[in-house]
Amino acid sequence: KAGVTQTPRYLIKTRGQQVTLSCSPISGHRSVSWYQQTPGQGLQFLFEYFSETQRNKGNFPGRFSGRQFSNSRSEMNVSTLELGDSALYLCASSPTGTDYGYTFGSGTRLTVV
Amino acid sequence: DQQVKQNSPSLSVQEGRISILNCDYTNSMFDYFLWYKKYPAEGPTFLISISSIKDKNEDGRFTVFLNKSAKHLSLHIVPSQPGDSAVYFCAALEGGTYKYIFGTGTRLKVLA
Repeated sequence: KAGVTQTPRYLIKTRGQQVTLSCSPISGHRSVSWYQQTPGQGLQFLFEYFSETQRNKGNFPGRFSGRQFSNSRSEMNVSTLELGDSALYLCASSPTGTDYGYTFGSGTRLTVV
Repeated sequence: DQQVKQNSPSLSVQEGRISILNCDYTNSMFDYFLWYKKYPAEGPTFLISISSIKDKNEDGRFTVFLNKSAKHLSLHIVPSQPGDSAVYFCAALEGGTYKYIFGTGTRLKVLA
């Protein structure tokens, strides 16, 4: 059974650019969550999607957006990149979102220069 | 405002001894708690969880204790093994939401 797949694994972008990250959840999982991990801050919740609907959003600026497709795959977009956006972005999936114990992908390491 | 706090950024323990990782929270609406383990270059993996209606949950070498009155939970690993060396995150879920709040993590190093 394939796990949560995130692409790309590594990304280097320039300030002001935009970036799109992709997440394919475990087959059958309809809930996808996104987290940002930075040193000293732990994992910060970005948003959660279920059946193409955003059900919860964290305290991030509007430059961070996401969407989910009918096949449950999800994308996260960051526009007008800032140096502080450099982080590991993690995607997690679960069958319904109310299940306990999400399965995480390996993450996308974004570096903004 | 950090609702879930792991005040020890790192911990070193001898192999075979007990490792105790601590986590404090401030939101009394949290009703489910989890521990995740993370190795470098990998995503976090689920370790063990506990519902707020319990005060202890055990799974092999791992036991999680919850003290609701103190808003404190801890993870005990006995006996500790070198393969347990990783960063451990505690996370809390507020009832009725789909948002996990994570602590900042504790790096455990088990010395052989």
